[in-house]
Amino acid sequence: QKEVEQDPGPLSVPEGAIVSLNCTYSNSAFQYFMWYRQYSRKGPELLMYTYSSGNKEDGRFTAQVDKSSKYISLFIRDSQPSDSATYLCAMHGSARQLTFGSGTQLTVLP
Amino acid sequence: DADVTQTPRNRITKTGKRIMLECSQTKGHDRMYWYRQDPGLGLRLIYYSFDVKDINKGEISDGYSVSRQAQAKFSLSLESAIPNQTALYFCATSDSQSQGAKNIQYFGAGTRLSVL
Repeated sequence: QKEVEQDPGPLSVPEGAIVSLNCTYSNSAFQYFMWYRQYSRKGPELLMYTYSSGNKEDGRFTAQVDKSSKYISLFIRDSQPSDSATYLCAMHGSARQLTFGSGTQLTVLP
Repeated sequence: DADVTQTPRNRITKTGKRIMLECSQTKGHDRMYWYRQDPGLGLRLIYYSFDVKDINKGEISDGYSVSRQAQAKFSLSLESAIPNQTALYFCATSDSQSQGAKNIQYFGAGTRLSVL
């Protein structure tokens, strides 16, 4: 079983929809949680970063962490075609080595 | 990310050939990483280096070697390439001084490698 599980999709939504992307994990030592966005033929770029449990909002993006359920989410409000990309969750504990999910491919249709 | 530059961007090689992928960065970060990305498997760590004299194996180091020539340069070698090393390879950097306990990594644009 992988330490981090992420539904690969693909996920296709109409423009303006609310998108929910999720990851589950098994390692209770993970404390730092990130979401990376990867456009086609590009490297991953950091989108959101959170520490421990709770919510963090940045514009149209909200990251949510529930450590009791070992579950993290990324919400995208008012989705745009430019949000079409692969979204990777990543996390680490005190050892600092990042463990990535396999990525969810998102397409936002105009 | 132009601050982390990978060369070449694409490479096709034959089984048994030695190949080197190069990474250079202008971010001034002390830590550098090599990952491979395969469909359905996400990013997996091959090697990482916390400074010029520190090299560590990652999850999937067999068949690979690395060299940290300077703080800004970290190269990955495949001594004798095999077809299952066909993948997308990424270099990444992070800065231990400014991030504390965090490990936010910044990625290059990747090298697409095909081993025939």
